[in-house]
Amino acid sequence: DGGITQSPKYLFRKEGQNVTLSCEQNLNHDAMYWYRQDPGQGLRLIYYSQIVNDFQKGDIAEGYSVSREKKESFPLTVTSAQKNPTAFYLCASSTLPGGNQPQHFGDGTRLSIL
Amino acid sequence: SQELEQSPQSLIVQEGKNLTINCTSSKTLYGLYWYKQKYGEGLIFLMMLQKGGEEKSHEKITAKLDEKKQQSSLHITASQPSHAGIYLCGAGRGAQKLVFGQGTRLTINP
Repeated sequence: DGGITQSPKYLFRKEGQNVTLSCEQNLNHDAMYWYRQDPGQGLRLIYYSQIVNDFQKGDIAEGYSVSREKKESFPLTVTSAQKNPTAFYLCASSTLPGGNQPQHFGDGTRLSIL
Repeated sequence: SQELEQSPQSLIVQEGKNLTINCTSSKTLYGLYWYKQKYGEGLIFLMMLQKGGEEKSHEKITAKLDEKKQQSSLHITASQPSHAGIYLCGAGRGAQKLVFGQGTRLTINP
């Protein structure tokens, strides 16, 4: 079955540590997205990518980095510069970039600070 | 303030009752999406509305788009425990962005 796989489901970060969240899709979608969700808030866009080897900052990119070396993969690194990383992270993809096609979501990764 | 405001923020209804969730935009709507989320899980796509006056239904859930009011409503008829969760509206903003409301937490009491 086609879908989006995020791993791990739970992740813990120590002070000063970088951690990487994995996102893989087999839907053959061009566009991929990373969102952050905090309690009582909607989703906020971190980074997005329309094609391989290209990506753009979203609304809250500071303290995060991404890469898009393959169409299927869009890993997110939460760096030590992100001072408040505790949140639920969601990866999504769509057939076309932008707001005229629904985005499909993975099951999320919950990141906590040790 | 949020670009998309959802109301109410939380809702508790008795099983079998009808309910409505609203999503109001501060900007012109070019497409409106409704998603459902269970706690700690990803978002499930429900419906997409693209034209003013458009109305779509899926099982007992109906969504409408009022472009003039920059608003969409999600109506559930004869609610069931399976309808419980967080409902989020999302709107297209240009070629790349999708912005979301803060979500409405729905609880169904037996």
